[in-house]
Amino acid sequence: LAKTTQPISMDSYEGQEVNITCSHNNIATNDYITWYQQFPSQGPRFIIQGYKTKVTNEVASLFIPADRKSSTLSLPRVSLSDTAVYYCLVFVKGGSQGNLIFGKGTKLSVKP
Amino acid sequence: DADVTQTPRNRITKTGKRIMLECSQTKGHDRMYWYRQDPGLGLRLIYYSFDVKDINKGEISDGYSVSRQAQAKFSLSLESAIPNQTALYFCVEGIMWSRGDEQYFGPGTRLTVT
Repeated sequence: LAKTTQPISMDSYEGQEVNITCSHNNIATNDYITWYQQFPSQGPRFIIQGYKTKVTNEVASLFIPADRKSSTLSLPRVSLSDTAVYYCLVFVKGGSQGNLIFGKGTKLSVKP
Repeated sequence: DADVTQTPRNRITKTGKRIMLECSQTKGHDRMYWYRQDPGLGLRLIYYSFDVKDINKGEISDGYSVSRQAQAKFSLSLESAIPNQTALYFCVEGIMWSRGDEQYFGPGTRLTVT
């Protein structure tokens, strides 16, 4: 099965823009890329989802290049409360229905 | 928002015991999943089900079995628990979009096998 690759950790300061990139080879043609946020002792929470180019919502933007082999989650002006682990998720084609594969996550630490 | 319930929330069991983790959702969505989370390994898919008659193995299904008793219920069993199955287990229910998923995670079950 294809895997996703993300940086293990990132540090930032309050007010900065943070970009987290995920590599995902073997992504299927019609599959979406989804990002999740997880705080300690909680389940992951959906942030944003996209298929190509750029998607923006109230909390983040998602940039996907034309070849779709990677994606970048952009968090504008982070605050201390954005300290969390961020996962990218793709639907990977395989078997009869495919598998939903999480990356290992990027631990973002936001400092004052 | 999705409403996923997991029972128990915490469980300590001994090696060799059989244990069942239960999950139910109130939205009636088709897709349900079981993941386990281990420090440094992220989230790994154990089993998934796209409807009552559809059960599929994930990345790490060995040592586990599942049952989709109803649209809203998806249980995970460890027939003979072993210490390396100590982990945080999440049940997830998903909404089928035309070309993608959103998944909503339950609160998690922390399982310790001694």
